[in-house]
Amino acid sequence: KAGVTQTPRYLIKTRGQQVTLSCSPISGHRSVSWYQQTPGQGLQFLFEYFSETQRNKGNFPGRFSGRQFSNSRSEMNVSTLELGDSALYLCASSPATGALNTEAFFGQGTRLTVV
Amino acid sequence: DQQVKQNSPSLSVQEGRISILNCDYTNSMFDYFLWYKKYPAEGPTFLISISSIKDKNEDGRFTVFLNKSAKHLSLHIVPSQPGDSAVYFCAASGSNFGNEKLTFGTGTRLTIIP
Repeated sequence: KAGVTQTPRYLIKTRGQQVTLSCSPISGHRSVSWYQQTPGQGLQFLFEYFSETQRNKGNFPGRFSGRQFSNSRSEMNVSTLELGDSALYLCASSPATGALNTEAFFGQGTRLTVV
Repeated sequence: DQQVKQNSPSLSVQEGRISILNCDYTNSMFDYFLWYKKYPAEGPTFLISISSIKDKNEDGRFTVFLNKSAKHLSLHIVPSQPGDSAVYFCAASGSNFGNEKLTFGTGTRLTIIP
């Protein structure tokens, strides 16, 4: 079974630009979550999508948005990039079968550098 | 407001000895706790979890202990091996605010000395 796939792996953008990151979850997984990892901050939850709907949202500005497609693939978009957006962006998928206490499976991440 | 805290940014342990990683949380609504391991340039990998109805869960060399009254959990690795060198993240979730939303600590870098 293929794991969580994130593309691209690395990205360099200029301040003010926008960026779109992609995530393909594990086959059969219906929930996709996005996290931002920066040094000293750990992993910060951005949002979670389930059945094409945003089900949960973290404390990030509106410049961060996402969506999920009918095949559960998800994209994350950041507009008007700032230097502080430089981070590793991680996508995680989980079965979301309704059972409590399930773990998330992470992709390798997209390393975004804003210059 | 850091709801999950890992107060030790780094830890060095001799190979073969026990590694103990600690994690504290403040939100009493958390009812599920997980440990993830992360190597550089890779995503976190799930290690072990524990539900709030238990106080211990064991999987091979890894054991997680939960002390609900102290809002504290720990990960024990016995015996420690060089391949265990990585960053370890503690995470928590709660059925009241979405099982798929994980709140992570800032991580502890574990170095196993051969």
